[in-house]
Amino acid sequence: DTAVSQTPKYLVTQMGNDKSIKCEQNLGHDTMYWYKQDSKKFLKIMFSYNNKELIINETVPNRFSPKSPDKAHLNLHINSLELGDSAVYFCASSLGLGVNNEQFFGPGTRLTVL
Amino acid sequence: KNQVEQSPQSLIILEGKNCTLQCNYTVSPFSNLRWYKQDTGRGPVSLTIMTFSENTKSNGRYTATLDADTKQSSLHITASQLSDSASYICVVNLSGTYKYIFGTGTRLKVLA
Repeated sequence: DTAVSQTPKYLVTQMGNDKSIKCEQNLGHDTMYWYKQDSKKFLKIMFSYNNKELIINETVPNRFSPKSPDKAHLNLHINSLELGDSAVYFCASSLGLGVNNEQFFGPGTRLTVL
Repeated sequence: KNQVEQSPQSLIILEGKNCTLQCNYTVSPFSNLRWYKQDTGRGPVSLTIMTFSENTKSNGRYTATLDADTKQSSLHITASQLSDSASYICVVNLSGTYKYIFGTGTRLKVLA
């Protein structure tokens, strides 16, 4: 069974478009995250949600808007896509906010903006 | 500035050999340090999580060590296998926050 799933796996789009990436976890976790991994493979946290409440917003442009309809889902909507948004986006979840909790990552969504 | 630096950037070894990856950090104070394995095209998978009071933790053929005084950690891989080919990422949590600072990783290739 898939623990953390993301759709789509690949997304190719034109500059200026709006797109969404979906994430679902079936682990019963309370906390979910979005990470961005750039071309140099550097991972950086974007958002963290706990029980549908925003906890971390790491100076991400407001073109990025996460939405958590319930604890099992954390979707990422991106408006007015720019070339620099091209990256791999990873969703993750953990039991709770406790910093010693293990994070489980999804398979990633490779976004290419042309 | 809170940073995590890893070395070497890349490493090639023969199957069956041991290797050690290094992680130096300036994050202070920190509450825990993690090592992740990331296969190409996949998400990171947790190998070990160590709190500041732990010196070593093992997960099968992977052994992580931590020296909080010198702010250094290492990941030792014993009897490497082809499936160990991946990127290994060191992550440090800034104490008192939910902030995780990632290293740039070490790309390991194990050859037959």
